[in-house]
Amino acid sequence: QQQVKQSPQSLIVQKGGISIINCAYENTAFDYFPWYQQFPGKGPALLIAIRPDVSEKKEGRFTISFNKSAKQFSLHIMDSQPGDSATYFCAASKTQGAQKLVFGQGTRLTINP
Amino acid sequence: ETGVTQSPTHLIKTRGQQVTLRCSSQSGHNTVSWYQQALGQGPQFIFQYYREEENGRGNFPPRFSGLQFPNYSSELNVNALELDDSALYLCASSAPRAYNEQFFGPGTRLTVL
Repeated sequence: QQQVKQSPQSLIVQKGGISIINCAYENTAFDYFPWYQQFPGKGPALLIAIRPDVSEKKEGRFTISFNKSAKQFSLHIMDSQPGDSATYFCAASKTQGAQKLVFGQGTRLTINP
Repeated sequence: ETGVTQSPTHLIKTRGQQVTLRCSSQSGHNTVSWYQQALGQGPQFIFQYYREEENGRGNFPPRFSGLQFPNYSSELNVNALELDDSALYLCASSAPRAYNEQFFGPGTRLTVL
């Protein structure tokens, strides 16, 4: 059962534009939602995370928007740069019990200069 | 502060063999999780270790086993390797009361022939 669905699978954005990646989850017990950035040959790096008690969190050019009733959350990258070109994964987990992260399928983001 | 390290970087085995992968957690982190990432997919949770005991397991067969040592480093063992075990194996560590903030190592690329 796919518990976290991510879209789009791939995305091309012009330099300076806004990149938007969406995720939907099924398990209402999830209460921690991180985004990871992964470059080829590297492990995922934690970018930003949100808990369901807030609807938005911003860190620099990265913003997470969270809609608890729709069970959806999204990553917005403002002023996208070629260095942002990577694969992005959303994930979800429960903070009680085992800290098991359930990942989406990933979005390959390409920023054209 | 040293991040999560993994060894070896790459490994080639043949079907039926056994393999041991190693992970050193980030300083101050006492929980280690292992994930399997197939090509083009998101990481899948294998299991987690806390205080040297397994603290949750994903949908992986018993031939996947692990250990955590008193210094919080960890091993992943896979017996009777199958072709489908070819993947990037990721280790992630997290700090006490860190609400699931998991930091990943660079991974071990395992190829089974």
